[in-house]
Amino acid sequence: AQSVTQLGSHVSVSEGALVLLRCNYSSSVPPYLFWYVQYPNQGLQLLLKYTSAATLVKGINGFEAEFKKSETSFHLTKPSAHMSDAAEYFCAVSDEDNNNDMRFGAGTRLTVKP
Amino acid sequence: KAGVTQTPRYLIKTRGQQVTLSCSPISGHRSVSWYQQTPGQGLQFLFEYFSETQRNKGNFPGRFSGRQFSNSRSEMNVSTLELGDSALYLCASSSPGARGQYFGPGTRLTVT
Repeated sequence: AQSVTQLGSHVSVSEGALVLLRCNYSSSVPPYLFWYVQYPNQGLQLLLKYTSAATLVKGINGFEAEFKKSETSFHLTKPSAHMSDAAEYFCAVSDEDNNNDMRFGAGTRLTVKP
Repeated sequence: KAGVTQTPRYLIKTRGQQVTLSCSPISGHRSVSWYQQTPGQGLQFLFEYFSETQRNKGNFPGRFSGRQFSNSRSEMNVSTLELGDSALYLCASSSPGARGQYFGPGTRLTVT
C-alpha cells in the first residue's frame, strides 16, 4: 500500500529564507503525489499535484516540488518565506489519478520568524 | 464557484449519542470523500462516494457510515459516539480532470 513519510514535524525558518519541507513516498505503482496546506481552523488547500507530466511541479503561492524517483522523494520548496506561509503542510499520495483514497503524511508545521 | 461547505462547523455530543454531519460539494463535483483528523492519528480516510455509491472505504468501524444524495450532497453518521471520535471531520470533493480534491473547512466534533 502506498504511504508517505514527512521528515520533521516542525520546521522554523526566518522570513526571506528558503523553505524546504521533506516528503518521501512508498508506493508499489507510479504514484500521484500532492502537497496541501492547512491554516488554523481551516480545511486543506491544494498547493500542487504531481502526475508524471513533469518532475518539477509549480504550485500556488510560489511553492514548487520536485519528484525524484531515485530518492523516492517529493520535497516542497519555496525560495523566500513569507510570514503568511506559517501553517501546517501535508504530503499525500494516491495510486490512481482521481482516486480519492489519499494517504496523508503526519504533517509539518512551518513557523516563520520575523 | 462556491467552495465545499460543511455543516455544522462545531458540535458537542455526549458519549453514546449519534451524530450526522453534512457536506455540500462544489457544484458539478460528483465525488465526495470524508476524512477524520486528530492530533494522534493525523488525517485518515473514512470513505468516498461517487454518484450515490460508496466507492472506497477506509479502516473504520461500522459505527461510521455515510451516504450521498442525487444532488451529490453527502452526509456521514457516527453512531454510539466514543470519546475517541472527537476530531475534525473534513469533507472533500472532486471531479474527473480536477487537479485534486477540494476540502471544506471541517466540522469539529467534541464528544464528552
